[in-house]
Amino acid sequence: EPEVTQTPSHQVTQMGQEVILRCVPISNHLYFYWYRQILGQKVEFLVSFYNNEISEKSEIFDDQFSVERPDGSNFTLKIRSTKLEDSAMYFCASTEAAWNTEAFFGQGTRLTVV
Amino acid sequence: SQQGEEDPQALSIQEGENATMNCSYKTSINNLQWYRQNSGRGLVHLILIRSNEREKHSGRLRVTLDTSKKSSSLLITASRAADTASYFCASNNNAGNMLTFGGGTRLMVKP
Repeated sequence: EPEVTQTPSHQVTQMGQEVILRCVPISNHLYFYWYRQILGQKVEFLVSFYNNEISEKSEIFDDQFSVERPDGSNFTLKIRSTKLEDSAMYFCASTEAAWNTEAFFGQGTRLTVV
Repeated sequence: SQQGEEDPQALSIQEGENATMNCSYKTSINNLQWYRQNSGRGLVHLILIRSNEREKHSGRLRVTLDTSKKSSSLLITASRAADTASYFCASNNNAGNMLTFGGGTRLMVKP
């Protein structure tokens, strides 16, 4: 069964450092997303991406965040200068269509900023 | 309450019993989806119900949607210990293709 894969599963970084979280969406999917879940809180939408452009972004997705599809398979989330409050589980997801379709989520990357 | 609130927040039942979880949302939706999350793991899609549907079944899962009350329920019948997980509703609203998640219900099924 096709699946979304994320690497690394866990990353520890020092405050102020840049991190890149990587995702390989399902191959025939066209819409890609990042969500995050701070420990004990709701899953929150960060950004959606289609046709090499950001489709939507939330208030959380400020200038320190960026996304990229560097090649035909990877989809990355970069956090330029990490803060303690960026510590969370980051989930990548992909969908075949934009509307009325299930989202397939990866297993997540646990980011710990120290 | 915020978009996509579940209740109860936690539910503990015996194996074989049914589990019912409820979700409320605030804005108009295209669809509402339910996801399952085992501790520390990813989100697994369970079922999607469109705004023009009232009830949907998938195996032991039954989902209802009441758009007049802006609420949905997830029923798991004949629960098993392996159903122990957190369950989240997520709405896809008319403004775009993002999902707005609720706070989740932590279900524990005791063997």
